[in-house]
Amino acid sequence: QEKVQQSPESLIVPEGAMSSLNCTFSNSASQSIWWYQQHPGKGPEALISIFSNGNKKEGRLTVYLNRASLHVSLHIRDSQPSDSAVYLCAPNSGGSNAKLTFGKGTKLSVKS
Amino acid sequence: GGIITQTPKFLIGQEGQKLTLKCQQNFNHDTMYWYRQDSGKGLRLIYYSITENDLQKGDLSEGYDASREKKSSFSLTVTSAQKNEMAVFLCASRSLGDQDTQYFGPGTRLLVL
Repeated sequence: QEKVQQSPESLIVPEGAMSSLNCTFSNSASQSIWWYQQHPGKGPEALISIFSNGNKKEGRLTVYLNRASLHVSLHIRDSQPSDSAVYLCAPNSGGSNAKLTFGKGTKLSVKS
Repeated sequence: GGIITQTPKFLIGQEGQKLTLKCQQNFNHDTMYWYRQDSGKGLRLIYYSITENDLQKGDLSEGYDASREKKSSFSLTVTSAQKNEMAVFLCASRSLGDQDTQYFGPGTRLLVL
C-alpha cells in the first residue's frame, strides 16, 4: 500500500513570499504525482501534476520531482491570501490500478 | 467542462440508522470514487468503480455499501451510523488515462447524533 507523507503540517507565510511544500511517497512505480488544493467547505481541485523527473512550471507554481529519493515538492511564488488552503499530494500508480493515494495535507496560510 | 453533484449537502442521522449518499457526474468518466475525509486524517478511499456495475473495495469499506447503478451515478450507503460520527464524504470521477485529472464533488457533511 502506498504511503504518502507531507510536510510541514501547516505553514504560515507573508503575502508575496515563496511557499514550499514537501511530499514523500513509497511506491517507486508511481507514474505521476498530483497536487490538489482544497479550500474550506469545498472539494479538492487538481492544481498541477508531474510525470517526469525534474521540474515543471505553470504560472506561479513549480513542482520538482526526484524519483530516486521518492520526493516531490510544490513551490508557490508570490503567495497570495487566496492561496490559503490545504494542499494534498497524491501519487498515481496508473495502469490498471485506478487509485490515487492522498497525503494528509499541508495547511497553508498567507497573511496580508 | 463537467460537474459532480452530491446530494444531500448536509446529512444528520441517528445512531444505527442506514444513510444513503448520492453522486452524479456528467463528465462521462469511467471511474468513480467515494472518499471519507476526517479532520487530521486526510482522504481515505471507501469504494471505487471502474465501470458501470463494477465495485472495488478501498481501505475503509467496512461499514459501507456502494452501488454503481449507471455510468453517471454512484451511491454510498452507511449501513449503521455510529453515534457522534462526523465526517465529510467526497465523490470523485476520472477517465482511466494515466494523466487524466480526478475531479471532486463538493462533499456531503455527515453528523450522527
